[in-house]
Amino acid sequence: DIQMTQSPPSLSASVGDRITITCRASQSISGYLNWYRQKPGQAPKLLIYAASSLQNGVPSRFMGRGSGTDFTLIISSLQPEDFATYFCQQSYSTPYTFGQGTKVEIK
Amino acid sequence: VQLVESGGGLVQPGRSLRLSCAASGFTFDDYAMHWVRQVPGKGLQWVSSISWNSEVIEYADSVKGRFTISRDNAKKSMYLQMNSLRSEDTALYYCTRDRGTFASGNCDYWGQGTLVSVSS
Repeated sequence: DIQMTQSPPSLSASVGDRITITCRASQSISGYLNWYRQKPGQAPKLLIYAASSLQNGVPSRFMGRGSGTDFTLIISSLQPEDFATYFCQQSYSTPYTFGQGTKVEIK
Repeated sequence: VQLVESGGGLVQPGRSLRLSCAASGFTFDDYAMHWVRQVPGKGLQWVSSISWNSEVIEYADSVKGRFTISRDNAKKSMYLQMNSLRSEDTALYYCTRDRGTFASGNCDYWGQGTLVSVSS
């Protein structure tokens, strides 16, 4: 199975901050990387697919980069609704595996 | 797009449970579907996927041989038959829609989940 490792596990930030979350795959997954946001008590929501493609309806402050084994999610200006947990997921091969999550908290 | 799961509950180890997912708001037979589970407060685990025409089905190793995924396009529904349940199957089970007709792993819509608890 492909292991996905996210960092940091958590971070504190303020509204308006720019933040970066990193995801590393245990082997090359080309560009088959997705990002999800999960608010407390809610289901995950797809933000970015294929490493850098913005899902319909997702604000442009979200940006995905990377290929191979190293990927990043950038939020250019944090909004109140962005305080949540973020998961990366590889869709290169089954089993589709997720990172352990990065919790973004209010500073 | 709406996905509504049902069928979860408390069940003893070794027993069975059948989850259902009712879909609406889109052409159900244009999309592959998945089950993904999450232990409350923990991470996400992909469980199984099924193509639009049920011809391509895959499972996580941890459920292979015990769980069976299926769909009924006429009823716009997907199912997960779970047999020989174990305590480690305890989780919130999400029904998700794939972005494609064959599973690509990109889950663009999720239900709210149904909770399965396996305990004696």
